[in-house]
Order: sequence, then structure tokens, then C-alpha cells
Amino acid sequence: GAGVSQSPSNKVTEKGKDVELRCDPISGHTALYWYRQRLGQGLEFLIYFQGNSAPDKSGLPSDRFSAERTGESVSTLTIQRTQQEDSAVYLCASTWGRANTEAFFGQGTRLTVV
Amino acid sequence: GQQLNQSPQSMFIQEGEDVSMNCTSSSIFNTWLWYKQEPGEGPVLLIALYKAGELTSNGRLTAQFGITRKDSFLNISASIPSDVGIYFCAGPKDSGAGSYQLTFGKGTKLSVIP
Repeated sequence: GAGVSQSPSNKVTEKGKDVELRCDPISGHTALYWYRQRLGQGLEFLIYFQGNSAPDKSGLPSDRFSAERTGESVSTLTIQRTQQEDSAVYLCASTWGRANTEAFFGQGTRLTVV
Repeated sequence: GQQLNQSPQSMFIQEGEDVSMNCTSSSIFNTWLWYKQEPGEGPVLLIALYKAGELTSNGRLTAQFGITRKDSFLNISASIPSDVGIYFCAGPKDSGAGSYQLTFGKGTKLSVIP
């Protein structure tokens, strides 16, 4: 596609339910990032995928969070047993993964846990 | 991921004033990127810098790649209400095997008073 696409754009879920967020990166981009952004705050790194290398999961806040990526395509971020503090915008970005690279962001998924 | 240090964290300015913000790191970067995020949107790339000392403009925006390669500055001249948003800096760090992981600052939140 022309840009990074995220779905759904908005998600309201009940506390304790699992949610799955999807990111379609720009075709050919080998690197993909997930970030969390609380209202009015900066970007909180969650996880980074680069090609077939082991992902950098150092930003995942708890074992309720996990992410998968199939090859160099779609990624899904799963949050199990959601809590109210998980409410945030979840942003995905993709890039060529090279030194002179530029990352492009999706519009984000706004998650509200009630 | 390690974060870059952005300052100030937030600023309120009068319409028409010039704005200056910066980003510093203890590590050397070979690329600096500046993004702007408007409310409800994903961050959008404003300026990319690839060479130490480089000064690049994009309309009323000017960014510089510091000579030490450990800092970068973004200036906005004659601010207008639509400049409101959060400004992020980013730089790629070598994550091994020829790939680079982007690191983001926490952002500078800009408010413009008409």
C-alpha cells in the first residue's frame, strides 16, 4: 500500500478481554515498530522487528503484551486480559531498516478499556 | 529502546514568535529525523538530516545536524496556530547485522496562543 495502515482505528473493550491490533507496513519495508502513546504524552517503545532477526521486545510492559510479524509483512500486537491503564493510542511505523532510513507512521489505533 | 533527550518538554508561545527546540544524545548519530504529530494523527516526517553540520529548511522550519553528531536543533519561524503539536526527534542506532533501529525522543509539545 501507499502508507502504513493500522486497524481498527478505534477499539473499545471491556476490562479483562483480549484485543488484537493490526499493522500493514509499507511494502518492502523490513523494519517495523510498535509504540504506545498515552494522552498528550510521548512515544513509548514497545517492540521492534527487523527482517528475520529476533525482535527487540525490551519495551513490552508486561507478559500480557505480545506481537508477531509474518516475514516482512503484517504485524499484530496482542494485549491479553486488558486493564484500564492499557488505554492509549498504539502506533505502528515501518522503515527500510538502513542507516539513512526514514520511518513512516500509521494513524494509530485508539484503544479504550472500560 | 534508548531515548533521546528533547527540550523543552513543552512550550507556550504567542503567534508570530520564533521557536527553538533541541535534541541531544550521549551517542553519535549519522542521521537525525524530525517529526510532527498533530492531535489524533500519527507522526509525520518534517525534515531529515544526513550530514554533520547540515542545515536544512522546509518552509518556516529549519533543522541543523550538530557538528558533534550528538545533537540537532529545530527552529520554527513566525509561528502560526497550525504549528501546534508534538515535535519528535529520532535517530537510527546500529542494532547489528547491518540494520538500524530508530530511537525517538519524548517530544516537545508546542502550543501557540493566537
